[in-house]
Amino acid sequence: DQQVKQNSPSLSVQEGRISILNCDYTNSMFDYFLWYKKYPAEGPTFLISISSIKDKNEDGRFTVFLNKSAKHLSLHIVPSQPGDSAVYFCAASGIYNFNKFYFGSGTKLNVKP
Amino acid sequence: DGGITQSPKYLFRKEGQNVTLSCEQNLNHDAMYWYRQDPGQGLRLIYYSQIVNDFQKGDIAEGYSVSREKKESFPLTVTSAQKNPTAFYLCASSIRQGEQPQHFGDGTRLSIL
Repeated sequence: DQQVKQNSPSLSVQEGRISILNCDYTNSMFDYFLWYKKYPAEGPTFLISISSIKDKNEDGRFTVFLNKSAKHLSLHIVPSQPGDSAVYFCAASGIYNFNKFYFGSGTKLNVKP
Repeated sequence: DGGITQSPKYLFRKEGQNVTLSCEQNLNHDAMYWYRQDPGQGLRLIYYSQIVNDFQKGDIAEGYSVSREKKESFPLTVTSAQKNPTAFYLCASSIRQGEQPQHFGDGTRLSIL
């Protein structure tokens, strides 16, 4: 039973527009959330994180929003660039075990020039 | 450049054989992780190690074994007891326990002949 879900396997966006990637979780004990980016033939790289005490965290073109009541987080990329084309994973962990991170199945983002 | 090296990139195994996947890091990270990825699913934690000579089972440890005799090395053995070993395996590390995986290797794809 997946505790972190990314229901959209793929997303296509025009260059310069906003990309919104969504992630839902089921475990209310999760309190730390991350996004990773993965290019083909490479391992994932850490992108941005947010803890449950915040509802927004921004880093340049990347912003993560957390809605704890809905158990939902999203990653916004503005403006989207062709180099952002990759698979994006969200992940979550809880206060009960910081070493266990649960990952979603990923969303493949394609930014068209 | 520091990073994680996984070898080999592709591995084939006959049924009934054990096989060992290599993971080496030169980041001086304390914690290391093994994840498995199957199509349409998120990364699932197999084993993790917070420090040398210590390791803990993740969510899907059955049929796998690990060792952590040196800080830089965390090999994963897929035993014949693992009934469905065909998958993509990712090794990761973090500076210390309790932090999110910060670096990933490029993965090993294991297939059964």
